[in-house]
Amino acid sequence: EDQVTQSPEALRLQEGESSSLNCSYTVSGLRGLFWYRQDPGKGPEFLFTLYSAGEEKEKERLKATLTKKESFLHITAPKPEDSATYLCAVLSNFGNEKLTFGTGTRLTIIP
Amino acid sequence: DADVTQTPRNRITKTGKRIMLECSQTKGHDRMYWYRQDPGLGLRLIYYSFDVKDINKGEISDGYSVSRQAQAKFSLSLESAIPNQTALYFCATSDSHGANEKLFFGSGTQLSVL
Repeated sequence: EDQVTQSPEALRLQEGESSSLNCSYTVSGLRGLFWYRQDPGKGPEFLFTLYSAGEEKEKERLKATLTKKESFLHITAPKPEDSATYLCAVLSNFGNEKLTFGTGTRLTIIP
Repeated sequence: DADVTQTPRNRITKTGKRIMLECSQTKGHDRMYWYRQDPGLGLRLIYYSFDVKDINKGEISDGYSVSRQAQAKFSLSLESAIPNQTALYFCATSDSHGANEKLFFGSGTQLSVL
């Protein structure tokens, strides 16, 4: 069974204080690893897809990286508007093409 | 206008009542999904549909049913609601022609079963 574990559950940073969120996964053949951002009262919004170990994707202050066992979402010099819950999900090469989600990291950036 | 629209946004109902949550999309996607989100449990798949004639159970389908009325409409029903179905429900879509499961989510329906 595919599993996704995200850590920490919550993270508070000062504005400008860089850090990383972790997503550890076990999957029988990784087809893709996904990062989503979820704001309160809204549905998740797609950020990145990573397909193979060593791959990196960037968007503004966010950079996602992937190894064979985990992914990191690095946030550089965050701003208060980066406050959100960040969700990680994996898609397996086997099974019925459904995403397995982690429980998320709730990120708060303090001005 | 939102690409994926869920109605209602909030619903309070009583145990034993039948309710329906509706989802419509203007993205032209073939694939539609229903998820529920509970604190500490993450998003879990209830049902999904890859086209109008294709309906599949997800990991937590017991107590739920769905109907794909058209490519753009996918509704979720709770035949006899129970309190542990209190949750935030999301509809999502994806493009079957894409190489990945990039999902587009609606804004959610907060359901409370008393």
